Amino acid sequence: AQSVTQLDSQVPVFEEAPVELRCNYSSSVSVYLFWYVQYPNQGLQLLLKYLSGSTLVKGINGFEAEFNKSQTSFHLRKPSVHISDTAEYFCAVSDRRTGGGNKLTFGTGTQLKVEL
Amino acid sequence: NAGVMQNPRHLVRRRGQEARLRCSPMKGHSHVYWYRQLPEEGLKFMVYLQKENIIDESGMPKERFSAEFPKEGPSILRIQQVVRGDSAAYFCASSPAGLAGGPTGELFFGEGSRLTVL
Repeated sequence: AQSVTQLDSQVPVFEEAPVELRCNYSSSVSVYLFWYVQYPNQGLQLLLKYLSGSTLVKGINGFEAEFNKSQTSFHLRKPSVHISDTAEYFCAVSDRRTGGGNKLTFGTGTQLKVEL
Repeated sequence: NAGVMQNPRHLVRRRGQEARLRCSPMKGHSHVYWYRQLPEEGLKFMVYLQKENIIDESGMPKERFSAEFPKEGPSILRIQQVVRGDSAAYFCASSPAGLAGGPTGELFFGEGSRLTVL
């Protein structure tokens, strides 16, 4: 079984400032890692994913994340945020072994609020 | 290229009624997943289906909830005799089959169906 911890439920930040949203996971097996963004009253949109290869993953809207296996972390970063980045961000993992399904385990989410 | 389509977007039911939520996956996707999002919480996995088969229903409540993905038509999540605690956003996601016939590691989500039980 896997679990995902997003310690920060809310992160306020000023526009054009950098931001880091933290994600730690627990798993006894190898995992795939994902970050999704949810705008109010909408579904989830994939920001980026780590399946294999380089541990630094670049996604849409200028976001990137780094997989750190030793620290079991997958923190999301953006060097300069915009008002439009205000949304809920979810970290998720799935079992790499599972050839027959991608059941995602989600964290509880981090609300990013960008202020002027 | 239509995404995952869910309907209705909003549904209001009184306690004891039935709720039916529909999900049409993206074109070419043969795997469907249902998740539930309670207020102030993350998404919780409910069930994973392929055409005409339930692959994993480990997240489904034992009673009143059922899901299907028929050969033709959308996937349906059915909740019988709804209670107030069923009020939530229900999200459907789909994925394509991978090289080995399984999903490729990415899910595409619909905009959700928001159920309110009075």
